[in-house]
Amino acid sequence: SQKIEQNSEALNIQEGKTATLTCNYTNYSPAYLQWYRQDPGRGPVFLLLIRENEKEKRKERLKVTFDTTLKQSLFHITASQPADSATYLCALSTGGGNKLTFGTGTQLKVEL
Amino acid sequence: DVKVTQSSRYLVKRTGEKVFLECVQDMDHENMFWYRQDPGLGLRLIYFSYDVKMKEKGDIPEGYSVSREKKERFSLILESASTNQTSMYLCASSAPTELTDTQYFGPGTRLTVL
Repeated sequence: SQKIEQNSEALNIQEGKTATLTCNYTNYSPAYLQWYRQDPGRGPVFLLLIRENEKEKRKERLKVTFDTTLKQSLFHITASQPADSATYLCALSTGGGNKLTFGTGTQLKVEL
Repeated sequence: DVKVTQSSRYLVKRTGEKVFLECVQDMDHENMFWYRQDPGLGLRLIYFSYDVKMKEKGDIPEGYSVSREKKERFSLILESASTNQTSMYLCASSAPTELTDTQYFGPGTRLTVL
């Protein structure tokens, strides 16, 4: 069955450093990989999307890579700030109006 | 901007009660989804709908039903609430024309069943 794995342990980093979150998947050939941010007690918010034929995507301080051979995506936040503290979810889809499959998320804590 | 609203942020019900959770989206999206989210288990899909009056079971439909009488509204129904249905419930919508399946979520309803 399809499986998405994200680090279940919280990631603690210092302000100003680059945070790197990992998303691994098995038994899946996604056309799209997406990253969402979720704050406590709130719904997830879409951040960034990368297509299967793209290696890297950037948006301001965010960068996503997608390696379909390794079946892995890395999500980077550069110059991290305490306001970046949240849970980050990765999600996969085959596209064309279908469901998303979500990972369980990784909690990021950026400390002063 | 897409806006998805849910009828309540917090809800407390008693075991055996019938519970209605309402979700409304204002972007004319065809697809709507109901998830529950529990610590360590992530988002689990309960039901989804691709069109008015259409519904499909997700991964954990037992104990739930849904209704979609209008395109903008998707309701989740707990016929007889049980304590193991205490959870955060999230509604989302998406437009199949976007091809990417990006979903837009509501703020969530924290349901407690006593």
